[in-house]
Amino acid sequence: SQELEQSPQSLIVQEGKNLTINCTSSKTLYGLYWYKQKYGEGLIFLMMLQKGGEEKSHEKITAKLDEKKQQSSLHITASQPSHAGIYLCGVTAAGAGGTSYGKLTFGQGTILTVHP
Amino acid sequence: GAVVSQHPSWVICKSGTSVKIECRSLDFQATTMFWYRQFPKQSLMLMATSNEGSKATYEQGVEKDKFLINHASLTLSTLTVTSAHPEDSSFYICSAPLASLKLFGPGTRLTVL
Repeated sequence: SQELEQSPQSLIVQEGKNLTINCTSSKTLYGLYWYKQKYGEGLIFLMMLQKGGEEKSHEKITAKLDEKKQQSSLHITASQPSHAGIYLCGVTAAGAGGTSYGKLTFGQGTILTVHP
Repeated sequence: GAVVSQHPSWVICKSGTSVKIECRSLDFQATTMFWYRQFPKQSLMLMATSNEGSKATYEQGVEKDKFLINHASLTLSTLTVTSAHPEDSSFYICSAPLASLKLFGPGTRLTVL
């Protein structure tokens, strides 16, 4: 099975600082998803990456997938307290079809705290 | 817009009782839904795949007789935790695929006393 390693496990930053969260896979990533979760709540979809070298941005968050498709990074610029939460990367099974479609395996998550 | 809803959002029950959690896809159909469990300060762990019209597929280590899954229609899957015990207390989240998106419900917090 594919394993995802997220780093760091937790991160505390001062408001306004930039930060990066990494997600590394033991196998090639065919569909990499980034989600944000507030404690006790559901997952908020951030971005999905599929192609090697792909980069997507939304507001102050940028996600990249490396050319080899084994590592992704999530970068937040000028962090705000509203960015605080748990960030999860998830991956779909390679070539999955049928009932496996849509199943995600998640990294262990990164807990982000932003101090005002 | 298309969303996934869950009911209830939280439930407290006594040990030994059964609890049913509903997962609904709104404004789209889902032949497959996924049930995850999340313990405090941990990531999501897939429990089972719910299939409309057929039996659910359980992940290794998940007891199928304890976590009953019924995919009653193209918009509803239910997870029943039977004979709940305190160690079943957790946050349960369902997910449904919509094209390339994986939509998640808001979760259900189960506390077993």
